[in-house]
Amino acid sequence: QQQVKQSPQSLIVQKGGISIINCAYENTAFDYFPWYQQFPGKGPALLIAIRPDVSEKKEGRFTISFNKSAKQFSLHIMDSQPGDSATYFCAAQRGWQFYFGTGTSLTVIP
Amino acid sequence: KAGVTQTPRYLIKTRGQQVTLSCSPISGHRSVSWYQQTPGQGLQFLFEYFSETQRNKGNFPGRFSGRQFSNSRSEMNVSTLELGDSALYLCASSLDRGGGGELFFGEGSRLTVL
Repeated sequence: QQQVKQSPQSLIVQKGGISIINCAYENTAFDYFPWYQQFPGKGPALLIAIRPDVSEKKEGRFTISFNKSAKQFSLHIMDSQPGDSATYFCAAQRGWQFYFGTGTSLTVIP
Repeated sequence: KAGVTQTPRYLIKTRGQQVTLSCSPISGHRSVSWYQQTPGQGLQFLFEYFSETQRNKGNFPGRFSGRQFSNSRSEMNVSTLELGDSALYLCASSLDRGGGGELFFGEGSRLTVL
């Protein structure tokens, strides 16, 4: 059973556009929601994270929107750049247990 | 500060063989977890170790096993390899401060089973 559902599987965005990736979860015990970014040939790396007591967190061009009642959260990449082309994974954490989404392959076209 | 190191980076095996993958965590990190990454399936959790004890195990068959040594280095073993075991195996370490801990991933070991 997939604890975290992520969509879309792939996304193509023009340079300067907004990329939006969505995730949903079921377990209300999750208390930390990170996003990881993975470039080809590399391991995933933490991009940005949010706790459920906050509805939004912004770091530069990256924003997490969190809807606790709907049990959904999303990653918004503003002014998308070709260098943002990567695979993005959302995750939900409880204690030391992480549950990852299936990933979104983002391609930003120049 | 050195990152997470995984060896070997690439390997090719045939069905029925076994394989051992190694992971050296970041110095001071006592939690090591393993993930299997395949296209379309994302990151599937295999198991997690802390201070040489397996704390959590994912939904994989018993052919997949692991261990952690006193220096926090970890190994995972897959016996009787199947074609479907072809994947990128990622190791991640963390300080394990409880909720909100960041995972630091290695670059992975890419296993191809022929």
